[in-house]
Amino acid sequence: GAGVSQSPRYKVAKRGQDVALRCDPISGHVSLFWYQQALGQGPEFLTYFQNEAQLDKSGLPSDRFFAERPEGSVSTLKIQRTQQEDSAVYLCASSFRQGGNQPQHFGDGTRLSIL
Amino acid sequence: AQSVTQLGSHVSVSEGALVLLRCNYSSSVPPYLFWYVQYPNQGLQLLLKYTSAATLVKGINGFEAEFKKSETSFHLTKPSAHMSDAAEYFCAVSDDGESGNTPLVFGKGTRLSVIA
Repeated sequence: GAGVSQSPRYKVAKRGQDVALRCDPISGHVSLFWYQQALGQGPEFLTYFQNEAQLDKSGLPSDRFFAERPEGSVSTLKIQRTQQEDSAVYLCASSFRQGGNQPQHFGDGTRLSIL
Repeated sequence: AQSVTQLGSHVSVSEGALVLLRCNYSSSVPPYLFWYVQYPNQGLQLLLKYTSAATLVKGINGFEAEFKKSETSFHLTKPSAHMSDAAEYFCAVSDDGESGNTPLVFGKGTRLSVIA
């Protein structure tokens, strides 16, 4: 399809395990964002890529969170030594180019549950 | 720092009635403003955006919003609610960041229920 694709849709992990969440943005989109959405809340910014460069990771909650986009297309968000507070929906969004006026196109998210 | 306040975590309207979802923003620079809709177990879909052109913005599915700088508001309206409008609605603000980083800052959302 032509939209943002995220996988897996659902992920259950035991506390302490590492997880990896994948995002396939819309082809040709320069900007890529990761957001975390807790239950009943709005999405909160985690990190931003412009092509392969990670320009802002100020929203990552701890050094257990790591994101990459090595070839400027697919991105992976990795969480090491997961904890229960990491349970949330992780949303990926892309936009055609940088700029605050650019609409961001969202994937359906990965719902992460830490037991 | 930017912020968004959505008044009312839950709004309930009758089918055919006016929908009004409130959003107030705080921004030190001219903002860009967005409304997104989220259906259960789905991502966010853009309804409309304000990017400093016309202050009355028309979006998809019959929704519109008016940017009022003096009131720092960007309320979402629809003249006649449909059952299919039941969803979670998010207001968001952005601007032109120094490095091109322009993350959206979201409100907490308003859940719209439509009663038959």
